[in-house]
Amino acid sequence: DAGITQSPRHKVTETGTPVTLRCHQTENHRYMYWYRQDPGHGLRLIHYSYGVKDTDKGEVSDGYSVSRSKTEDFLLTLESATSSQTSVYFCAISDTGRYTEAFFGQGTRLTVV
Amino acid sequence: AQTVTQSQPEMSVQEAETVTLSCTYDTSESDYYLFWYKQPPSRQMILVIRQEAYKQQNATENRFSVNFQKAAKSFSLKISDSQLGDAAMYFCAYNDDDKIIFGKGTRLHILP
Repeated sequence: DAGITQSPRHKVTETGTPVTLRCHQTENHRYMYWYRQDPGHGLRLIHYSYGVKDTDKGEVSDGYSVSRSKTEDFLLTLESATSSQTSVYFCAISDTGRYTEAFFGQGTRLTVV
Repeated sequence: AQTVTQSQPEMSVQEAETVTLSCTYDTSESDYYLFWYKQPPSRQMILVIRQEAYKQQNATENRFSVNFQKAAKSFSLKISDSQLGDAAMYFCAYNDDDKIIFGKGTRLHILP
């Protein structure tokens, strides 16, 4: 199995508080992604990274920011959590992006109350 | 923008029968990869099969095969001899340069 871990696995937080989710990989893959999964919407891309300090927005990036200061770590921050950000968040990694499959973390269930 | 469409939110199939999940996509590229992923109740995403667009031959992995129609931009997944363990969400995905774009998924039920 690809070495990819997400932390925390579960979190409950209050509206308006900042939240940071961490994705850590041991595969030295170039690409890292953050998705959210909601019923009826599948997996929607939030942000992605194609190298250290190289990041870009996905289709649902509003309210989220990311940072990648090391190859192995990709952080997703909700600056001020809202109830609409209640979701399951997945981190994924890929070696070459276009030509290889993605490997996924086990997901983080985030509940904003 | 590239899009991936899975038109069947849910499907059911009798155990040991064959089922086909549909997927269409939109792209102006000629060289790309397509994937099917499975997500069982454990939530773990698992690669099922991949197809390279420049290869005319349809990919096959044991009981799983694809029907890839490049001109029609169609990429369906056929599961033969369905088993109870095949029950899951199935996602079609298109790899676009730096991004991976997923469809909304098809939930597959296996009837014993």
